[in-house]
Amino acid sequence: AQSVTQLGSHVSVSEGALVLLRCNYSSSVPPYLFWYVQYPNQGLQLLLKYTSAATLVKGINGFEAEFKKSETSFHLTKPSAHMSDAAEYFCAVNAKTSYDKVIFGPGTSLSVIP
Amino acid sequence: GAVVSQHPSRVICKSGTSVKIECRSLDFQATTMFWYRQFPKQSLMLMATSNEGSKATYEQGVEKDKFLINHASLTLSTLTVTSAHPEDSSFYICSARQAANTGELFFGEGSRLTVL
Repeated sequence: AQSVTQLGSHVSVSEGALVLLRCNYSSSVPPYLFWYVQYPNQGLQLLLKYTSAATLVKGINGFEAEFKKSETSFHLTKPSAHMSDAAEYFCAVNAKTSYDKVIFGPGTSLSVIP
Repeated sequence: GAVVSQHPSRVICKSGTSVKIECRSLDFQATTMFWYRQFPKQSLMLMATSNEGSKATYEQGVEKDKFLINHASLTLSTLTVTSAHPEDSSFYICSARQAANTGELFFGEGSRLTVL
């Protein structure tokens, strides 16, 4: 079985500050891991994905995430927050042997304070 | 990247009527599409997996007679909410997988259903 937890349903950072959104997963087989961003009343956009290549993954808009198997984590970071980063962020897991389902975490709402 | 289009983006209907939402993969063929439901301030809940040419696979607790899914072609899946009631009001999002070996999903823009 797969599951995803995201610590902190809401995170606030100042503009220019480091963004850290936490994601921990549970999977009985090696997973694919994803971060998606959702703006109000819109669908989801892929930020980045881990598919067993490099453990440090770089995505769009300056975001990156590091896969740490020992910690079962895939935290999302960005060195300097921008006002346009305010959105809902979802971590997701897909077991490589179960392509039919992508399981989403509960989401973290990011606010950026000017 | 792959584009998934969803229509309509917003729909308002009276209680008891049926509403159809379309999901199209514009530049790739999608043998599998997924339908999610999202309540305000919550995550995505997988409703069903739609496979081209076969019956959809519904998640536990999702009424298949209430939410009819058809995947008649490699680029089109439809979700019909039958005899809609106010509690069916929600944001419905479809997604499609471009390639089976990455798990990555491409999402439609979502459809906001309001049942009066």
